[in-house]
Amino acid sequence: GEDVEQSLFLSVREGDSSVINCTYTDSSSTYLYWYKQEPGAGLQLLTYIFSNMDMKQDQRLTVLLNKKDKHLSLRIADTQTGDSAIYFCAEGSGGYQKVTFGTGTKLQVIP
Amino acid sequence: SQTIHQWPATLVQPVGSPLSLECTVEGTSNPNLYWYRQAAGRGLQLLFYSVGIGQISSEVPQNLSASRPQDRQFILSSKKLLLSDSGFYLCAWSPSRSYNSPLHFGNGTRLTVT
Repeated sequence: GEDVEQSLFLSVREGDSSVINCTYTDSSSTYLYWYKQEPGAGLQLLTYIFSNMDMKQDQRLTVLLNKKDKHLSLRIADTQTGDSAIYFCAEGSGGYQKVTFGTGTKLQVIP
Repeated sequence: SQTIHQWPATLVQPVGSPLSLECTVEGTSNPNLYWYRQAAGRGLQLLFYSVGIGQISSEVPQNLSASRPQDRQFILSSKKLLLSDSGFYLCAWSPSRSYNSPLHFGNGTRLTVT
């Protein structure tokens, strides 16, 4: 079945850039998503990219997709303490929007 | 605009007791609806999804069931809770007839079975 993998933790200093990486196995993935989860809350959709795109930029967020290597990354420029959260990578490839989530990367921003 | 509501936010229930978690969506018609469980603050497991009233698909056999009595209402139930049912339950929706649209999540219900 589909599998999405992420590293569990990332620690950066405030003001630096954060890069969160994700790999997936399903070559038929059509959309790839990044979600943010703050403590005790639901998941907030940050951004998503079509599989026929290489890059998408949205303010401080840059998503890079290497479809050949099935590698997705999320770059957060000028990371702030409010960016501390768990970030989930997800891929959609099945019918009825069956979305597979990674295990999440916990981003810690050090002031 | 569309909104999704889940309640209760937190719940503590004894083993063997019943469960009913409710989710409603506003501002859209005939959404696809989903129940996910997140254990230990980590990965999400899809439990059920529904593409219409009375249509429920189960992804994982377990102690839980789901129902969709109205177009924008999705209910997660159990007749007898187990300790292993503890977790964070998330409801989500996506537009119908829209292939691979993003899921939009509610704020979740923290269930502790004691």
